[in-house]
Amino acid sequence: GENVEQHPSTLSVQEGDSAVIKCTYSDSASNYFPWYKQELGKRPQLIIDIRSNVGEKKDQRIAVTLNKTAKHFSLHITETQPEDSAVYFCAASLYNDMRFGAGTRLTVKP
Amino acid sequence: EAGVVQSPRYKIIEKKQPVAFWCNPISGHNTLYWYRQNLGQGPELLIRYENEEAVDDSQLPKDRFSAERLKGVDSTLKIQPAELGDSAVYLCASSLGQGGGYEQYFGPGTRLTVT
Repeated sequence: GENVEQHPSTLSVQEGDSAVIKCTYSDSASNYFPWYKQELGKRPQLIIDIRSNVGEKKDQRIAVTLNKTAKHFSLHITETQPEDSAVYFCAASLYNDMRFGAGTRLTVKP
Repeated sequence: EAGVVQSPRYKIIEKKQPVAFWCNPISGHNTLYWYRQNLGQGPELLIRYENEEAVDDSQLPKDRFSAERLKGVDSTLKIQPAELGDSAVYLCASSLGQGGGYEQYFGPGTRLTVT
């Protein structure tokens, strides 16, 4: 089955800096790669996703890149704000079989 | 539109006791998932339903866990008997399609503590 690894496990940045979180996946057939944000005590919520036929997608301060050959994808957050502090999960999916990474705890210091 | 509803939100039980969780997915969502999330970890899939059929239960500890989704809508997840290691947040999620590539919407979760 699919195995997703996520790095780093914790990330601390200064407000206004950029943050990058990286994930690798094992099943080359996976075709859908969402990113979820989970604030303390709350449910995971989708912030951006990308499909295997696209190399990059951007939504305001958030962007995701996908390298199918290397089987890795990354989340980029620019101009970070304190409210970006949360745990971020990447996931890889084939059809509806989705596997999650272990998460990255992002702290944005004001 | 209401999101995914779960109950109870919190449950504290003694080991060896049974416990059940309930999930009501978003209306019209065919696919329903149960995940377990341990502290500091990502969600781990327990079981996935397409309508009323369990299509992936390979990660469900079948000696003590059971699930059902009657009529392809609401679902219940049961643990009997509970063990200390079952303490976790149990998340239910639903998605619209069966072909994959659809956003999963999560419920608020049930935080289970086994003492």
